[in-house]
Amino acid sequence: DAGITQSPRHKVTETGTPVTLRCHQTENHRYMYWYRQDPGHGLRLIHYSYGVKDTDKGEVSDGYSVSRSKTEDFLLTLESATSSQTSVYFCATASTGERINTGELFFGEGSRLTVL
Amino acid sequence: GQQVMQIPQYQHVQEGEDFTTYCNSSTTLSNIQWYKQRPGGHPVFLIQLVKSGEVKKQKRLTFQFGEAKKNSSLHITATQTTDVGTYFCAGGFNAGNNRKLIWGLGTSLAVNP
Repeated sequence: DAGITQSPRHKVTETGTPVTLRCHQTENHRYMYWYRQDPGHGLRLIHYSYGVKDTDKGEVSDGYSVSRSKTEDFLLTLESATSSQTSVYFCATASTGERINTGELFFGEGSRLTVL
Repeated sequence: GQQVMQIPQYQHVQEGEDFTTYCNSSTTLSNIQWYKQRPGGHPVFLIQLVKSGEVKKQKRLTFQFGEAKKNSSLHITATQTTDVGTYFCAGGFNAGNNRKLIWGLGTSLAVNP
């Protein structure tokens, strides 16, 4: 498996507080993604990055922002968490593909976020 | 918008029985990927199909991509308890200058020993 580390792995927070999830990779993959996984909705793309400081929105980007200042790190920020953002968040990376990659995705172990 | 429909949603089988999950798209796909997610785990890439009519095998798993590149299937022969998990397909679509990957909702497989 690719070296992808997500932190924190579990977090409980209150509505209205900011939350940042971190994804760190050691594979030097160009592409990085944040997905959320919810029952009945499968995996949905929040934001993705196709290079350092190059990011774009996915299908469910409202309420989320991202930053990628280094190849290895991709941060997902919830500026003001809401209960609807309770989910499992997965980071993924890919080495090949085009702007929205269609090469093999390597996933991190996930971050379970609960917003009370 | 583009959708990838995956059926069935759930399947329970006895160990040793076969299992098949299907993915269907209303529009032509550029490629399709299959992933497996064990309970409590993360999705793990199984395979990618690109060519029309392509068939690939991995031990007891057989993957097919339809001639029209609108459907795909994953067939597991003689299931084992280690096959338990959710199987996802993800279809690649060309979208202007970009490509999009749209995920099916997955098929959860339970295997009774």
